[in-house]
Amino acid sequence: EDQVTQSPEALRLQEGESSSLNCSYTVSGLRGLFWYRQDPGKGPEFLFTLYSAGEEKEKERLKATLTKKESFLHITAPKPEDSATYLCAVQAGGFQKLVFGTGTRLLVSP
Amino acid sequence: GAGVSQTPSNKVTEKGKYVELRCDPISGHTALYWYRQSLGQGPEFLIYFQGTGAADDSGLPNDRFFAVRPEGSVSTLKIQRTERGDSAVYLCASSPDGGGQETQYFGPGTRLLVL
Repeated sequence: EDQVTQSPEALRLQEGESSSLNCSYTVSGLRGLFWYRQDPGKGPEFLFTLYSAGEEKEKERLKATLTKKESFLHITAPKPEDSATYLCAVQAGGFQKLVFGTGTRLLVSP
Repeated sequence: GAGVSQTPSNKVTEKGKYVELRCDPISGHTALYWYRQSLGQGPEFLIYFQGTGAADDSGLPNDRFFAVRPEGSVSTLKIQRTERGDSAVYLCASSPDGGGQETQYFGPGTRLLVL
């Protein structure tokens, strides 16, 4: 069974304090790994898709990387508006469905 | 509209009642997905439509849950004899044609509370 584990569950940073979120996965035939951001009371907002080990993608203060077992979401010099829950999901095998982790709740204090 | 829309945004019902939740996907998207998200958890897959047909309904928890998409656009998730454990946020997502590793775009969700 496909599994996705995210750590830490919660992370508190000071503004400007860089850090990384982890997403480890166990799947048969990874087709894509997706990162989403979710604000309270809203639906997940797409950030990145990674398809193969070694791939990296960047958007503003965020950078996502992928290995054969895990993905990292690096946050450089975060701002309070980066506070949200970050969700990792995988698409695997012949299925279109996404399998999500439980998310990392990030709080950035000014 | 530009994004996925869902109605109602909130629904409160009593145990045993029937509810319908509606999803309007992004215009032109043929693939539509329903997920359920409990507090503190990630979204959990329920069902996937390709056009009018359910291509994968393996996530529906039991036969009280049913979903339709009769014209290949709007979808309705139907829950019969609701139970308190059905309380969750029901999320809908759509993607262009369900092929390859397409991005799924999510709506704001319907918050269902069963009393």
